[in-house]
Amino acid sequence: LAKTTQPISMDSYEGQEVNITCSHNNIATNDYITWYQQFPSQGPRFIIQGYKTKVTNEVASLFIPADRKSSTLSLPRVSLSDTAVYYCLVGPPGYSSASKIIFGSGTRLSIRP
Amino acid sequence: GAVVSQHPSRVICKSGTSVKIECRSLDFQATTMFWYRQFPKQSLMLMATSNEGSKATYEQGVEKDKFLINHASLTLSTLTVTSAHPEDSSFYICSAHDSSYGYTFGSGTRLTVV
Repeated sequence: LAKTTQPISMDSYEGQEVNITCSHNNIATNDYITWYQQFPSQGPRFIIQGYKTKVTNEVASLFIPADRKSSTLSLPRVSLSDTAVYYCLVGPPGYSSASKIIFGSGTRLSIRP
Repeated sequence: GAVVSQHPSRVICKSGTSVKIECRSLDFQATTMFWYRQFPKQSLMLMATSNEGSKATYEQGVEKDKFLINHASLTLSTLTVTSAHPEDSSFYICSAHDSSYGYTFGSGTRLTVV
C-alpha cells in the first residue's frame, strides 16, 4: 500500500478556503486517492475519491496532478464544524474487492471564528 | 447510503472481565469487515480483518486470543475483548465493505476498563 504524507496540523478561519496536500510518491497505476474526515469520538466519514485531474462534490474538491504523486483536498468556505482530522488514503477503489485500509497520521484541521 | 451500526457506543467494565462489541451492516451485506483501535490524538490502527464464515486475519502484534472476532453472518461481526485491562481502554471502530458503497465506518465504541 502506498505510503502517504500530510501535514500534522493546519489552522484556518471561518469563511476561508482550506487546501490540504497529501504526498504519495509510490502510488500504483490502479490506486485511487480517498479522503476521510473524522470528528472526535466518531468513525471516519468518506469525503471524496478520485483517480486523476479534478473531482468535485457537494462538500469538497480533489485536485490530482498528472503525475498523481500528490493530491490536494480543497474545502471551500470552511466553518467551525469543519474542525476535524482529515485522512488521505491511497489504494484500490472502494468498490473493488475489499482490501485493508491503513490510515496515516492525518491532518488535524482547526477552524477559528 | 450504507450504514454501519456499532454497539455499544460507550462501555465501562472492570478489569478482568470481557466485553463484546457489535458491528452491523444495516442495509447491505458485508463479507469483509475490519476492526480498528484508536488511542487519543492518534490515528486508527488496524487490528484485524474479519471475513464471514472464516477466521479473522490479525495484524502483527495483535493478540488473537485477547481480541476474539466472530463474523458469523453477512451483517454482523463482533469483537470481544477478553480479560480486559486498563491498557485496553481505547476507541474501537469497525468498518464494513460493500462493492457498491465501498468502505463504511461505524460510529465507534469507547471502552474504559477500570
